[in-house]
Amino acid sequence: EADIYQTPRYLVIGTGKKITLECSQTMGHDKMYWYQQDPGMELHLIHYSYGVNSTEKGDLSSESTVSRIRTEHFPLTLESARPSHTSQYLCASRLGTDNSPLHFGNGTRLTVT
Amino acid sequence: SQQGEEDPQALSIQEGENATMNCSYKTSINNLQWYRQNSGRGLVHLILIRSNEREKHSGRLRVTLDTSKKSSSLLITASRAADTASYFCATDASQGAQKLVFGQGTRLTINP
Repeated sequence: EADIYQTPRYLVIGTGKKITLECSQTMGHDKMYWYQQDPGMELHLIHYSYGVNSTEKGDLSSESTVSRIRTEHFPLTLESARPSHTSQYLCASRLGTDNSPLHFGNGTRLTVT
Repeated sequence: SQQGEEDPQALSIQEGENATMNCSYKTSINNLQWYRQNSGRGLVHLILIRSNEREKHSGRLRVTLDTSKKSSSLLITASRAADTASYFCATDASQGAQKLVFGQGTRLTINP
């Protein structure tokens, strides 16, 4: 379906570990987003980017950070994972024009023990 | 703050019946989009309706938009078992950053 890839697909780690969730897209989209979603619940925007060297915090407070050094790459980092970070993390991208849809990756399911 | 609210939260119907889901939102929008999510997967874009449009069709999907009531509906006709999924509306605000804000979704189950 979409040319946007997230790795790993599943991750189980211990409290206090540093992790990076990878997201890459091959569509040349300027805008990229990270959403957090608990099972069966709505999506909450935690970070977004308008382009290279542009990052903004979303509507949901998050202890994670992001970077956008290359157009195609938008990794999300948790410096010290906690059980409250257990969730699904969805990466998405879209063209910079108005009325463009989001393309989603398949997500990373993170469990912090 | 949550922009979209969807109704019902869960819907179970027989294969072949029509399914209708509703979405309400709070602020002015550029467009409203509907997405589908299969269990454990990312979301897939279904259809986009602009703020100056009232109705749009795509295959078995029909979307309406009433900006005066700040509401939208998604109709899936002649449902199939493969339509079983969660459906989300998302609003693209007319001011500020181009951030899509999602509703909490409707869980649709099609019974064979």
